[in-house]
Amino acid sequence: GENVEQHPSTLSVQEGDSAVIKCTYSDSASNYFPWYKQELGKRPQLIIDIRSNVGEKKDQRIAVTLNKTAKHFSLHITETQPEDSAVYFCAASREGKSTFGDGTTLTVKP
Amino acid sequence: GAVVSQHPSWVICKSGTSVKIECRSLDFQATTMFWYRQFPKQSLMLMATSNEGSKATYEQGVEKDKFLINHASLTLSTLTVTSAHPEDSSFYICSASKGLAGGAEQFFGPGTRLTVL
Repeated sequence: GENVEQHPSTLSVQEGDSAVIKCTYSDSASNYFPWYKQELGKRPQLIIDIRSNVGEKKDQRIAVTLNKTAKHFSLHITETQPEDSAVYFCAASREGKSTFGDGTTLTVKP
Repeated sequence: GAVVSQHPSWVICKSGTSVKIECRSLDFQATTMFWYRQFPKQSLMLMATSNEGSKATYEQGVEKDKFLINHASLTLSTLTVTSAHPEDSSFYICSASKGLAGGAEQFFGPGTRLTVL
């Protein structure tokens, strides 16, 4: 089955700095890669996603890049704010079924 | 929009009892629903995939007789934890998908925190 590895497990940055979270996947048939933000005790919320026919996607301060050949994708958050503090999960999906990474706890210090 | 509700939001039960959790897609038809389990500070672990009108597909290591899943309609799936024990205490989250034609995105419910005494 699919195996998704996510790094780092924790990340602490100063407000205004950038944050990068990286994931690798094993199943070359995976074709949809969403990123979720989960605040404590709440549901995961989709923040950005990318499909396998696209290399990069940006939405304001958030961007995702995908390297299909190397089977890795990354989340980039620029100009971080304290409200960006949360747990972020990557996922690799095939035929609608997602495998999640272990999560990254991002802390943005004011 | 794509709203998914889950009920109850939390439940406390005695060991040996059964608990039913409902997952509903409120404004769309969900061809597929997924059930996850999440332990504190850990990732979402897929338990089973549920398609309307057919038997659920369980992930390896998940007991189908322990975690009964029913997907009776395109807007409702239920997870029943039978003969619950303290080790079943966890955060259970469902998600619903509009299907591959709808983009493959999963929409998550708010989760149910189960505590078994």
